[in-house]
Amino acid sequence: RKEVEQDPGPFNVPEGATVAFNCTYSNSASQSFFWYRQDCRKEPKLLMSVYSSGNEDGRFTAQLNRASQYISLLIRDSKLSDSATYLCVVPTQDNYGQNFVFGPGTRLSVLP
Amino acid sequence: EAGVTQFPSHSVIEKGQTVTLRCDPISGHDNLYWYRRVMGKEIKFLLHFVKESKQDESGMPNNRFLAERTGGTYSTLKVQPAELEDSGVYFCASSQELLYAGNQPQHFGDGTRLSIL
Repeated sequence: RKEVEQDPGPFNVPEGATVAFNCTYSNSASQSFFWYRQDCRKEPKLLMSVYSSGNEDGRFTAQLNRASQYISLLIRDSKLSDSATYLCVVPTQDNYGQNFVFGPGTRLSVLP
Repeated sequence: EAGVTQFPSHSVIEKGQTVTLRCDPISGHDNLYWYRRVMGKEIKFLLHFVKESKQDESGMPNNRFLAERTGGTYSTLKVQPAELEDSGVYFCASSQELLYAGNQPQHFGDGTRLSIL
């Protein structure tokens, strides 16, 4: 089993739709999680950090289920500008955070 | 605040040649990371510096790759000699906190797109 797995996508949704992505992780000791978005040929950019059960920022909500080892990202009222690849990122167990483990990403296309 | 900067943005070299990538982290960030994304694969960790020391280099693919961070500021990643499978996008990232760095988000540079012919 891969360390971080994500919905394969792509997700094609109309503007205004609500869409949710799932991410599962294998390291039960992981304490913090991140969602990054990556536009084509660009660098990953931090979207949200998740340290407890969840986090909300405007149209974006991240939820964490430690028992089932998954994190979800919900996007409400999708905009064309939300089209990107969404990366689920899980730091390794070590407290010094030696590295991030990236999921393969889920591609979202918001259609007019 | 200036972000993480990488140079060059794109490099095209022939197999067997040497290439050096450079990363300037956000000022004051002790943690510096190198990652690589090979076509069609997920982003993979290469190594992690804390200031000038290599904290973890378990992701380095082989001894053709050499990373340095003299003085704890900018870092270089040298590939010598380059092979075809080294093609990909090399990202650098930095984060601020020294302790519990795993809880800190990392800020990424634009990446260097490396093409080996």
